[in-house]
Amino acid sequence: DAKTTQPNSMESNEEEPVHLPCNHSTISGTDYIHWYRQLPSQGPEYVIHGLTSNVNNRMASLAIAEDRKSSTLILHRATLRDAAVYYCTGASYDKVIFGPGTSLSVIP
Amino acid sequence: NAGVTQTPKFRILKIGQSMTLQCTQDMNHNYMYWYRQDPGMGLKLIYYSVGAGITDKGEVPNGYNVSRSTTEDFPLRLELAAPSQTSVYFCASTRDRKNIQYFGAGTRLSVL
Repeated sequence: DAKTTQPNSMESNEEEPVHLPCNHSTISGTDYIHWYRQLPSQGPEYVIHGLTSNVNNRMASLAIAEDRKSSTLILHRATLRDAAVYYCTGASYDKVIFGPGTSLSVIP
Repeated sequence: NAGVTQTPKFRILKIGQSMTLQCTQDMNHNYMYWYRQDPGMGLKLIYYSVGAGITDKGEVPNGYNVSRSTTEDFPLRLELAAPSQTSVYFCASTRDRKNIQYFGAGTRLSVL
């Protein structure tokens, strides 16, 4: 099964960029890399996903390493509403396995 | 669209009781998943299904059963509830594993 590792926690000052790393060294060539976030007392919500190329959407950017063994979720300007647990996921065949997540704190 | 609907939202069980957690999606998604999330922890995959009539085990299937008789519904059955099954249960669906997973609001279960 695809395994992911992430730092347990990170801090950011409000209005500053945040780079959240994820290692997925066992990912296969056809597995997409997904990122989700979970606000307190809510279910996870989609943030961004990609296969090989860097991706941008209104919420964030995703930078994928050339060897695909790691990726970085980039929040360009952290706000207090971005305080959440961020998960990168590895999809092995039809299983979608969540990593342990990074708890992001945003300091006003 | 209602998306993914889970019922009940909360439930308290006594040790040894059984119950079924309901999950319904109206997006015609083939793939559906059940996760559990223990306090302060990440999500663990219990069971998943890639279509009606097809189910498979995830990371932590012991103590649970599932069925998938229709595309829309993916119920999770707990037999002989134990305190270790106290958790928040999330159901999710997606068109295929490359695409976005949509999550329900969760069922908070306590086994006392």
